Amino acid sequence: GESVGLHLPTLSVQEGDNSIINCAYSNSASDYFIWYKQESGKGPQFIIDIRSNMDKRQGQRVTVLLNKTVKHLSLQIAATQPGDSAVYFCAESTLLEYGNKLVFGAGTILRVKS
Amino acid sequence: DAGVIQSPRHEVTEMGQEVTLRCKPISGHNSLFWYRQTMMRGLELLIYFNNNVPIDDSGMPEDRFSAKMPNASFSTLKIQPSEPRDSAVYFCASSFGPSGRLFGPGTRLTVL
Repeated sequence: GESVGLHLPTLSVQEGDNSIINCAYSNSASDYFIWYKQESGKGPQFIIDIRSNMDKRQGQRVTVLLNKTVKHLSLQIAATQPGDSAVYFCAESTLLEYGNKLVFGAGTILRVKS
Repeated sequence: DAGVIQSPRHEVTEMGQEVTLRCKPISGHNSLFWYRQTMMRGLELLIYFNNNVPIDDSGMPEDRFSAKMPNASFSTLKIQPSEPRDSAVYFCASSFGPSGRLFGPGTRLTVL
């Protein structure tokens, strides 16, 4: 039969513009959130993380915003470059008895146009 | 540190054959994870070890899959017998404590 794959949302931006990638998480008990970048043929690469007691954290060219009220996470990339083209995953972490459980979102494709 | 090391990077095998995937976590990390990534299901956690002990194997698809971690620097994921639907990219990741996981480059498995 015909297989149906995940249909990932795609964000296309012009080189030099800012990118905003959004993620909705499901568990209000999640206490730690991570953004990963996955380039073609490679494993997910850690970008930035944020704890639930914060609402904003900045890195180099990246900012993560957390809105716990609506369970929403966003990744902002400033001055997007062609090398930023990849699939971006958010992940939510919940501390359980045996350790922290990490649940990944489906991912968003970022395409940077030169 | 060279990061998480996985081998082989690519594996092509025939249905029914045994497949063994290998992982060397980052030195000092006490947690190791095996994930599977497919277009159909995205990134799925198969099993999680903490201090070499399997803690959560609820993601292991069926008895054909098994994983071991004989010491802090080595883990294997075995599929026996392999089936075409096992074709995927298998990632190993490691971490220290409740922190972000660092992923290896993955093993692309094709079962014909």
